[in-house]
Amino acid sequence: DAMVIQNPRYQVTQFGKPVTLSCSQTLNHNVMYWYQQKSSQAPKLLFHYYDKDFNNEADTPDNFQSRRPNTSFCFLDIRSPGLGDAAMYLCATSRDRGPGSEQYFGPGTRLTVT
Amino acid sequence: EDQVTQSPEALRLQEGESSSLNCSYTVSGLRGLFWYRQDPGKGPEFLFTLYSAGEEKEKERLKATLTKKESFLHITAPKPEDSATYLCAVQASNSGNTPLVFGKGTRLSVIA
Repeated sequence: DAMVIQNPRYQVTQFGKPVTLSCSQTLNHNVMYWYQQKSSQAPKLLFHYYDKDFNNEADTPDNFQSRRPNTSFCFLDIRSPGLGDAAMYLCATSRDRGPGSEQYFGPGTRLTVT
Repeated sequence: EDQVTQSPEALRLQEGESSSLNCSYTVSGLRGLFWYRQDPGKGPEFLFTLYSAGEEKEKERLKATLTKKESFLHITAPKPEDSATYLCAVQASNSGNTPLVFGKGTRLSVIA
């Protein structure tokens, strides 16, 4: 089945220690997104790639970076995690960005910062 | 600013007790309204897309409707396996790169 895969499902890192989260997709979608979701809150878009074109949300901290080396993979790098960065990180894909482009989500990576 | 408000925050139903979840939105031009289901510790699962007022879509016990100001997710004769958080999101026509704006969700519990 075509899907969005995230690894690892659970990640523990230390305060200030860089961490990378991984997302891959078999849907061959053009767009890949990274969201941050804290408990009982709405998913918050951090950035997205339309093909190789990177689009950062205005309020995404510089501490968060992303790479998309090819169509299938996208990475979220947190350069110096703080306690406030503990959250669920969701990767999503969509075929396009046009009207009604449904986004399909991966299972998420739960990040704990100690 | 585009906004999405979902109510109630939490809803507890007996099995078989039908009800509706509300999603009110304020956007400058709607390109699409989306409903997702999210189970604890998992990513959101796509349910429906609605594009224009008057549109309705159904899937099993779920039916989504859309007006110019809000959307409803009707749950008919729910079962315990329908327990989840239901998220609503809108895509605005002036948002350039069209990010989705999500509501905080309604946490539904269906008791056997």
